[in-house]
Amino acid sequence: GDSVTQMEGPVTLSEEAFLTINCTYTATGYPSLFWYVQYPGEGLQLLLKATKADDKGSNKGFEATYRKETTSFHLEKGSVQVSDSAVYFCALSGTGNQFYFGTGTSLTVIP
Amino acid sequence: GAGVSQSPRYKVAKRGQDVALRCDPISGHVSLFWYQQALGQGPEFLTYFQNEAQLDKSGLPSDRFFAERPEGSVSTLKIQRTQQEDSAVYLCASSLAVWGDGYTFGSGTRLTVV
Repeated sequence: GDSVTQMEGPVTLSEEAFLTINCTYTATGYPSLFWYVQYPGEGLQLLLKATKADDKGSNKGFEATYRKETTSFHLEKGSVQVSDSAVYFCALSGTGNQFYFGTGTSLTVIP
Repeated sequence: GAGVSQSPRYKVAKRGQDVALRCDPISGHVSLFWYQQALGQGPEFLTYFQNEAQLDKSGLPSDRFFAERPEGSVSTLKIQRTQQEDSAVYLCASSLAVWGDGYTFGSGTRLTVV
């Protein structure tokens, strides 16, 4: 069945460091891929998405490229800020309507 | 409304009690989803509505869980005879499209069963 495997955390980085959070997926067909972010005490917010192979989603300095050959959708940011501290979830939308989420990666950015 | 609204924000229930969780989706959104998020885990699918029709309830963990959306807008997730393992955050999400292409999530209801 469809599933997402996400890099385990927690991840702690200094401000302005480079961020990579790995995500790989298993799916039948051609899923859409997403990154959601959850700030403390808040609901999930869509960060970026890609709907087909080689698409790059980007938002707020974050990027992820849909790689069909490696079944990956790694999240990257060149220079993280303290305000980026949150939990990040990789997800896919495949056959049917439900989303499949990874277990989440907690990111803490220290000044 | 501007976003997906869920109430109550927090709920403490004694084991065996029935609870009802409410979701107000974004006006006009066709698709509505319920997810359960256990502590330290990603959300897991419970059920899906397209307008008032419940098209998929495969994720409901037991027959104690029941969801409805009678007029195709507000939805209620009911849990009967709550158990400790039901403690989780229950998330509602809605989408304008029939096929999900990025949901808008509510802030969730944190249910604690004691």
